[in-house]
Amino acid sequence: SQQGEEDPQALSIQEGENATMNCSYKTSINNLQWYRQNSGRGLVHLILIRSNEREKHSGRLRVTLDTSKKSSSLLITASRAADTASYFCATDDNYGQNFVFGPGTRLSVLP
Amino acid sequence: EADIYQTPRYLVIGTGKKITLECSQTMGHDKMYWYQQDPGMELHLIHYSYGVNSTEKGDLSSESTVSRIRTEHFPLTLESARPSHTSQYLCASSPITDRGYGYTFGSGTRLTVV
Repeated sequence: SQQGEEDPQALSIQEGENATMNCSYKTSINNLQWYRQNSGRGLVHLILIRSNEREKHSGRLRVTLDTSKKSSSLLITASRAADTASYFCATDDNYGQNFVFGPGTRLSVLP
Repeated sequence: EADIYQTPRYLVIGTGKKITLECSQTMGHDKMYWYQQDPGMELHLIHYSYGVNSTEKGDLSSESTVSRIRTEHFPLTLESARPSHTSQYLCASSPITDRGYGYTFGSGTRLTVV
């Protein structure tokens, strides 16, 4: 089934810097979502972007979607130590029934 | 407050035991899911349900079973636990009619089979 692939696998930055994570997928989608997971916890929904949208903002988060390249990016501006987590993208599966999650990007924000 | 609850949070159990992982949500969501996730790895869908009396197998083959007798309750059962079942199990829910909403996840159950 279709799966988003996040890149990089791991990212380490200093507090105050911006963090950018990318997600590529294989086939056409209706929606793409980004989630955050703190260590040992469940996932928290961050933002959903529809296939007819190119950019969405939520606080310090900015998500872009390029359907021609089948890719999305998540930008976290002015990062904080509390942003340390794994970030996952999720895309519709081939049947449009469920969302399929990629392997995630592990972000470490150093104080 | 509307939320999704998983119990227990941690479980250590011996091989061969029967276990049930509980998941309940108070949001009235029709669709519910069970994911299996090894530490630092991706999520694998093992079961989902469209509503009462509906259960479907996910992408990852699993020896577990699920039931959906009430909208709010979606328990997962392992009849005979094995060390290979050691993992984190995440329950989630979503509205069925509007795919513009994300999934709401529980905090997970970390299962260790010894």
